[in-house]
Amino acid sequence: QVQPVQSGAEVKKPGSSVKVSCKASEDTFSKYTISWVRQAPGQGLEWMGRIIPVFGTISYAQKFQGRLTITADESTTTAYMELSSLRSEDTAIYYCARVRNNWFAPWGQGTLVTVSS
Amino acid sequence: SSVLSQSPSVSVAPGQTARITCGGHDIGSKTVHWYQQRPGQAPLLVVYDDSDRPSGIPERFSGSKSSTTAALTISRVEAGDEADYYCQVWDSSSDSYVFGSGTKVTVL
Repeated sequence: QVQPVQSGAEVKKPGSSVKVSCKASEDTFSKYTISWVRQAPGQGLEWMGRIIPVFGTISYAQKFQGRLTITADESTTTAYMELSSLRSEDTAIYYCARVRNNWFAPWGQGTLVTVSS
Repeated sequence: SSVLSQSPSVSVAPGQTARITCGGHDIGSKTVHWYQQRPGQAPLLVVYDDSDRPSGIPERFSGSKSSTTAALTISRVEAGDEADYYCQVWDSSSDSYVFGSGTKVTVL
């Protein structure tokens, strides 16, 4: 399994948006789902949403409806997670992961997003 | 949606056995997966489909499940097993994924 590679750390102002990328293998893009999971400092894992790239099917956790946009570019086998209206509570490490039969593996290395004025 | 409960911490001496439990509504009817997260690292799948191990995961890691509780057992614990462990299920009623609150395993 090839680990997805995520974009680098970001520092954002409250109220702005952040877009994190996740480059996955062609195998992942053609056969599986990609999910996004975040982890606030010292906290547990929280599922945010997923995309099935080959179908373009997307679903979001209710908590993030209206603020989260997940997309995928098949030409570059890259998935994106964009979170808007950022607030301090969105400070977290954001992970992408391949999902197969409802389990997550492999995971990207994580992207730290810091929201601070 | 589902809520998965885990005890916050477990302490175990090297060579002994650690058992981490995961409880939740109707967990017996759900398929449970387990992840290890060492400090500063991304999570790693250690058990899937209740009791199967991915390639490369030592046999010391095993999963089980009853009608009310899922468990991850680590036999012959080593210092390198010190990490946070999370259970996870797919909740069909909300079509969403749910993670447990996590258990910190400390090797004495």
